[in-house]
Amino acid sequence: DTAVSQTPKYLVTQMGNDKSIKCEQNLGHDTMYWYKQDSKKFLKIMFSYNNKELIINETVPNRFSPKSPDKAHLNLHINSLELGDSAVYFCASSQPASFKQSPLHFGNGTRLTVT
Amino acid sequence: AQSVSQHNHHVILSEAASLELGCNYSYGGTVNLFWYVQYPGQHLQLLLKYFSGDPLVKGIKGFEAEFIKSKFSFNLRKPSVQWSDTAEYFCAVNARNAGNMLTFGGGTRLMVKP
Repeated sequence: DTAVSQTPKYLVTQMGNDKSIKCEQNLGHDTMYWYKQDSKKFLKIMFSYNNKELIINETVPNRFSPKSPDKAHLNLHINSLELGDSAVYFCASSQPASFKQSPLHFGNGTRLTVT
Repeated sequence: AQSVSQHNHHVILSEAASLELGCNYSYGGTVNLFWYVQYPGQHLQLLLKYFSGDPLVKGIKGFEAEFIKSKFSFNLRKPSVQWSDTAEYFCAVNARNAGNMLTFGGGTRLMVKP
């Protein structure tokens, strides 16, 4: 059973297009995240949702819009794709328990290539 | 704002060599500390975590890490590496009053030669 699943695994598209990445977790976690990993492997948080509500929105262009229809899903929609958006996008989830945050469980990543 | 530094960007070792990867963070308050591993082509997996108690934490696959509060460090160690330990290693910190935001270090790429 895949705990955090993302689709698609690979996404190749042209500049200017709009694309979506889906994420689902079956761990019963309340909190979900999107992380971006650039070509140098640097991981940076983009968004965090807790129980369908946005709680963290780092400095991310407005072209990126997360949507959480329920607490098990957090999709990422990207408008007007740019070359610099090429990266691996990881979805993750966790079950916060007061301050002792539970570890993140990551999906397998979506490798986005913008040409 | 919290930040995490991993000073070794690339490490190359022979099998059976000992490993120590450095991790320093900058935050004056109470923190949770993590090490994640990313094997080639795979997602990140938790190696070990520190919340409180014994500062020497043991994780999976023979890894351990020591939290030294005075040095703001959480170095990862393994006494004898294997070829299968070849991966990218990420230190991460979650600090009180930072919500659920986990800040990752830049990663250390470990290559173990057979």
